[in-house]
Amino acid sequence: DTGVSQNPRHKITKRGQNVTFRCDPISEHNRLYWYRQTLGQGPEFLTYFQNEAQLEKSRLLSDRFSAERPKGSFSTLEIQRTEQGDSAMYLCASSSLQGAAEAFFGQGTRLTVV
Amino acid sequence: GDSVTQMEGPVTLSEEAFLTINCTYTATGYPSLFWYVQYPGEGLQLLLKATKADDKGSNKGFEATYRKETTSFHLEKGSVQVSDSAVYFCALKKISGSRLTFGEGTQLTVNP
Repeated sequence: DTGVSQNPRHKITKRGQNVTFRCDPISEHNRLYWYRQTLGQGPEFLTYFQNEAQLEKSRLLSDRFSAERPKGSFSTLEIQRTEQGDSAMYLCASSSLQGAAEAFFGQGTRLTVV
Repeated sequence: GDSVTQMEGPVTLSEEAFLTINCTYTATGYPSLFWYVQYPGEGLQLLLKATKADDKGSNKGFEATYRKETTSFHLEKGSVQVSDSAVYFCALKKISGSRLTFGEGTQLTVNP
């Protein structure tokens, strides 16, 4: 296993367009997380899945954002009607079920909305 | 709500200098505490962790002790190297939850 994989690595889109990002976690990990990181800040939690169930969503996740993990494996994060404020690095991480288990992060998808 | 505060950065040191990056937290209950590192062009990597009061996490010469009385988890290294140049993030995770709450990060630059 090569770790958490995110695609694409970079995305430039026009304001108002929809974008979708993909995350492939470490295969044996049940939990999958999405975070957003803006320049000079730490990652902020967006949502997480345990297997295919979305168990928690941050209030940062407006109704323009939706995430899925249909078969408990890969996940997608879609942003509809993008705004310039959506420009950020979107990070995916995965972990096992243990309480203090290490979360392994992907390299992220950098979104620029122009 | 839960929060993590790191010392204001950036930090610039000469090789072999002593490093301290301060981290304090606010949380109910007894969270687990973590330090993550982000090298240029790479994803976040776990550096060390501690799961209960007075635990010391250590890795690659870095250490941090979970101090419940001062709600702190300061990162230290006795002798930094140029290769330690990176952004360091302190984070907590509640036992009952699964999300990580991160500090704002501290940019460390080590000069030869």
